[in-house]
Amino acid sequence: KAGVTQTPRYLIKTRGQQVTLSCSPISGHRSVSWYQQTPGQGLQFLFEYFSETQRNKGNFPGRFSGRQFSNSRSEMNVSTLELGDSALYLCASSPKGGTNTGELFFGEGSRLTVL
Amino acid sequence: SQKIEQNSEALNIQEGKTATLTCNYTNYSPAYLQWYRQDPGRGPVFLLLIRENEKEKRKERLKVTFDTTLKQSLFHITASQPADSATYLCALGNTGNQFYFGTGTSLTVIP
Repeated sequence: KAGVTQTPRYLIKTRGQQVTLSCSPISGHRSVSWYQQTPGQGLQFLFEYFSETQRNKGNFPGRFSGRQFSNSRSEMNVSTLELGDSALYLCASSPKGGTNTGELFFGEGSRLTVL
Repeated sequence: SQKIEQNSEALNIQEGKTATLTCNYTNYSPAYLQWYRQDPGRGPVFLLLIRENEKEKRKERLKVTFDTTLKQSLFHITASQPADSATYLCALGNTGNQFYFGTGTSLTVIP
């Protein structure tokens, strides 16, 4: 079974631009979560989607948004980029969602650098 | 807001010894706790999950304990090997897949 695939792996943007990151979950997984990882803050939860619906949202500004498609693939978008948005963005899929919990399967991440 | 602390940023131990990593939390009552391993430049990899009503879980050389009174989890790697060198993350959650992660402990096993 293929793992979680994230694209692009690396990207460089300038302040004020926007970026879209893509995540393809493991086949059959309907839950997709996004996390931001920085050296100072560690892994911070952005949001979770399950069956195309956002189920949970972390404490991030509205510039961070996401969506999930009917095939469970997900995208996240960051608008009006700031220097502090430089981070590794990790996508994780899970076969479980809703009130059920299970292990997260992470992708390798998309490393965003904002100049 | 919830706070999750892992015992130290870095831990060095001799090969063959038992590594013990600590995860303490406050302002939160998780229903379950997970441990992940992360290698440089890679995404975290799931190791173990333990629920609030479980005291201990084992998997091969790994053992996790969960004390909801102390608000603490201990993660043990017995007979440690250089290949165990990595960053280990604890993650707390309730229902759904929203997890709160600690900042991790970097473990180095010295041959």
